[in-house]
Amino acid sequence: QKEVEQNSGPLSVPEGAIASLNCTYSDRGSQSFFWYRQYSGKSPELIMFIYSNGDKEDGRFTAQLNKASQYVSLLIRDSQPSDSATYLCAVNIENIGEYGNKLVFGAGTILRVKS
Amino acid sequence: GAGVSQSPSNKVTEKGKDVELRCDPISGHTALYWYRQSLGQGLEFLIYFQGNSAPDKSGLPSDRFSAERTGGSVSTLTIQRTQQEDSAVYLCASSLSLSGGTGPQYFGPGTRLLVL
Repeated sequence: QKEVEQNSGPLSVPEGAIASLNCTYSDRGSQSFFWYRQYSGKSPELIMFIYSNGDKEDGRFTAQLNKASQYVSLLIRDSQPSDSATYLCAVNIENIGEYGNKLVFGAGTILRVKS
Repeated sequence: GAGVSQSPSNKVTEKGKDVELRCDPISGHTALYWYRQSLGQGLEFLIYFQGNSAPDKSGLPSDRFSAERTGGSVSTLTIQRTQQEDSAVYLCASSLSLSGGTGPQYFGPGTRLLVL
């Protein structure tokens, strides 16, 4: 059973639109949630992290967390062609000792922004 | 500031050979992680270091895989007697050691390993 689920896409949006990326997770005890962007052939790049229920905004990006429903989402406003990438949702499934953080990654959603 | 660095960026080896992959984390990050990403697949956790100790080695695929970290900084992932199924991108990440494991992980550029 997969622990972090994402729609593989591709999700296609026109330039300037809002892209909405969703992620569900299975472990109710999860406390930390991360969104990474991965361009083809590159390594994942951290975009956002969120720990508390509600919204967290950073520039054009908004992360939304709903622990009761076990989902986390990423909104990208004013989408640009340069936002075209795979977006990975990562969830802390298990703490390793006091400081470690065992992340489980979703398979990623491919986003395509059309100019 | 400098991010996570990894070397080599690419490695081609013959089946049965040993390889060593190196990771240099962000300065001050005491937590270090190794992942593997096969083509078109998600990230697979391999091992976690806190300082020089490895509290969690549960993701290492077999006893051909080992890792060490010295001086609380550089880490080396060693794959012995490589097999073709070991071909993948090996990613290293590091994070600050925050209570509750909440420190975001920052990735290096990865080492692309191809076993012929």
